[in-house]
Amino acid sequence: GAGVSQSPSNKVTEKGKDVELRCDPISGHTALYWYRQSLGQGLEFLIYFQGNSAPDKSGLPSDRFSAERTGGSVSTLTIQRTQQEDSAVYLCASSSTSSGGGRGEQFFGPGTRLTVL
Amino acid sequence: KNQVEQSPQSLIILEGKNCTLQCNYTVSPFSNLRWYKQDTGRGPVSLTIMTFSENTKSNGRYTATLDADTKQSSLHITASQLSDSASYICVVSAGSNYQLIWGAGTKLIIKP
Repeated sequence: GAGVSQSPSNKVTEKGKDVELRCDPISGHTALYWYRQSLGQGLEFLIYFQGNSAPDKSGLPSDRFSAERTGGSVSTLTIQRTQQEDSAVYLCASSSTSSGGGRGEQFFGPGTRLTVL
Repeated sequence: KNQVEQSPQSLIILEGKNCTLQCNYTVSPFSNLRWYKQDTGRGPVSLTIMTFSENTKSNGRYTATLDADTKQSSLHITASQLSDSASYICVVSAGSNYQLIWGAGTKLIIKP
C-alpha cells in the first residue's frame, strides 16, 4: 500500500452511541499517532504507539476515548457514549521512528470526519 | 506554556503572486520546526523541517526561514499556483518529546 489509510471517511452518529475509527499505517512504520482536529483549531494529540511499548495515552480527553493497536499494525480508536463536542476530524499518522526529538516524519491519513448529532 | 501562533489566519492572493506566512512560537526546549500543507479533506503533508542551526530551507517554490533567537519562522511561496490553495501549518517539536505543538494554520486561497 501507498500511504496511511483511514476508515470510514465520514461517520455520522447519534449522541450516546459508540464509534470505532480505523487506521492502517504505512507498512513497517513502528510509530502510530492519533490526532483530533476541530474546525479552525490546531491538531490535538490524542495517543501514540511505538512498537511493543506501552502507548502514551496522555492526550486522550476523557475515559470515553480508548485506542488499541493489534499486531503492531492496524489501530482502532474507540469513542464511547459520544457527545456533540466529539465532532471533529480524527487524523492518524505513522512514522518509521520517533527518536531524536520527533524528527521522524509523520505521514498522515485523510482523516475520519465524525459528526455527533 | 508551549504555544505556536500563526498569522494571518487567512489570506487571499492572485495566481502568480508571492506571499509570506508567519509563525511565532514559545516552545522550550526547541528541537525542530516544520511546515505542513493541508489540502481540504486531506491529512497534512510535510513541506520542510528545520533544526536550531538551520535558518532557511527550500522545497521548490516554498522557502522556510527560521530565527531561533526571536522564535519566528516564515514560509514564503513564490509564483503562487491555484494548487497552492490550502492550509499551511507551523509545527514545533519540543526537545526529545515526540509530541508536536501545532499551530492553527493559515488558510491560503489563490484566485485566478
